[in-house]
Amino acid sequence: DGGITQSPKYLFRKEGQNVTLSCEQNLNHDAMYWYRQDPGQGLRLIYYSQIVNDFQKGDIAEGYSVSREKKESFPLTVTSAQKNPTAFYLCASGLAGSYYNEQFFGPGTRLTVL
Amino acid sequence: QQPVQSPQAVILREGEDAVINCSSSKALYSVHWYRQKHGEAPVFLMILLKGGEQKGHDKISASFNEKKQQSSLYLTASQLSYSGTYFCGTGFTGKLIFGQGTTLQVKP
Repeated sequence: DGGITQSPKYLFRKEGQNVTLSCEQNLNHDAMYWYRQDPGQGLRLIYYSQIVNDFQKGDIAEGYSVSREKKESFPLTVTSAQKNPTAFYLCASGLAGSYYNEQFFGPGTRLTVL
Repeated sequence: QQPVQSPQAVILREGEDAVINCSSSKALYSVHWYRQKHGEAPVFLMILLKGGEQKGHDKISASFNEKKQQSSLYLTASQLSYSGTYFCGTGFTGKLIFGQGTTLQVKP
C-alpha cells in the first residue's frame, strides 16, 4: 500500500534533548513538508522540500532542522533551541507544484517535552 | 499572510447546511480544503484553481472568488461524518499557508 508513515506516534523527551521525527513516503512524490499543529492555531509550516538535497524554511523554522538525502525520507530534528516543542507534528507529501496538487498527510507524531 | 476562516465553530443538526469562508489578504493562485478528525491526519477535500478549475470531492462544493480573494466551502444536508475541523490552505509557489481552522459539529 502506498502512503506516508511517521514514527513514533507518541514521543516523550526531556527538556534540552534533541529529538528526530521520522517521515517516509512511498508515493514517489517529489515534495515533502513538515507542519506543526497547536490547539486553535491550524497548521504552521516548518520546512519544505521540492527536490532531493534541497529544502526551504517555512514560517516557524527556528529551532528545527531537516535533511532530504533520499526522495522517500524527510526527517525533522527538534533541537534544544526550540523554546516550546510540545506539539503535534504532521508530515505531508505531494507532487511538485503544491499550489495545484493536493498534499497527503501522515498520521502525525505527538511530541511531549517534560 | 495566514488566511482567515469564518466562522471559528459551527454546530448543526443532521440534514442542515453550513458554509465555511476563507479570506486572504494576498492574491490567490489556488485554495485547498482539508478536513481533520480529532487526533487524525487532515484529509484532502478539494482544490480550486485560479481560472475556475476544480479538483476533488464530488459531494462537496466550493466557490473561489479571485477578485475578492475569498473561497467558501458548502456543506449541504450534513451527516454525522462531516464533523471535524476544516482548514483552507492558500497556494503559493512551493507551499501552502493554512488558516486556523473551523470546527464543525453535527448532532443527531
